Amino acid sequence: RKEVEQDPGPFNVPEGATVAFNCTYSNSASQSFFWYRQDCRKEPKLLMSVYSSGNEDGRFTAQLNRASQYISLLIRDSKLSDSATYLCAVVRSKIIFGSGTRLSIRP
Amino acid sequence: EAQVTQNPRYLITVTGKKLTVTCSQNMNHEYMSWYRQDPGLGLRQIYYSMNVEVTDKGDVPEGYKVSRKEKRNFPLILESPSPNQTSLYFCASGFFDRGDGYTFGSGTRLTVV
Repeated sequence: RKEVEQDPGPFNVPEGATVAFNCTYSNSASQSFFWYRQDCRKEPKLLMSVYSSGNEDGRFTAQLNRASQYISLLIRDSKLSDSATYLCAVVRSKIIFGSGTRLSIRP
Repeated sequence: EAQVTQNPRYLITVTGKKLTVTCSQNMNHEYMSWYRQDPGLGLRQIYYSMNVEVTDKGDVPEGYKVSRKEKRNFPLILESPSPNQTSLYFCASGFFDRGDGYTFGSGTRLTVV
């Protein structure tokens, strides 16, 4: 079993929809959590950190559930420009990335 | 401008010819790491470094070497490249315990023929 797992997708949703991804991690000692966005053949870019209390940045909301060992990303009112691969990252003694979830927004 | 700089961006080489991919950051980050990304396999960590002269193996270190003689530089060395090392490589850096996230370089697309 991988230490960090994501549904690879693809998620294909219409513009304006709300979409949510989950990322599960197996090591309860994990300390920090992040969501990254990666466009095709480009480097991953930090989207947001994930805090225990949950955090929001515009249309994006990230949450952490330590008891069930998963983090989530919610995108509201999705735009065409949100089409990308979303990677979760979990930090304990090193940084481990999930394989990513592909999101495609259709007009 | 705060950034992680990788060079070269693209490289085609032949089997067995030693090569080095450079990575440099100007943010005084302690932590630096190399990843390779292959279709369907996601980002896999090759080596990482928590500080100068401290390096550790990641998940796929075979066939690679690194060094961390200075804080800003973390080169990736392929002593004898093979076709299975054809991949997209990323360098990343950050402050490990500050929760700020990590910054990636633009990537190096390596083809070994």
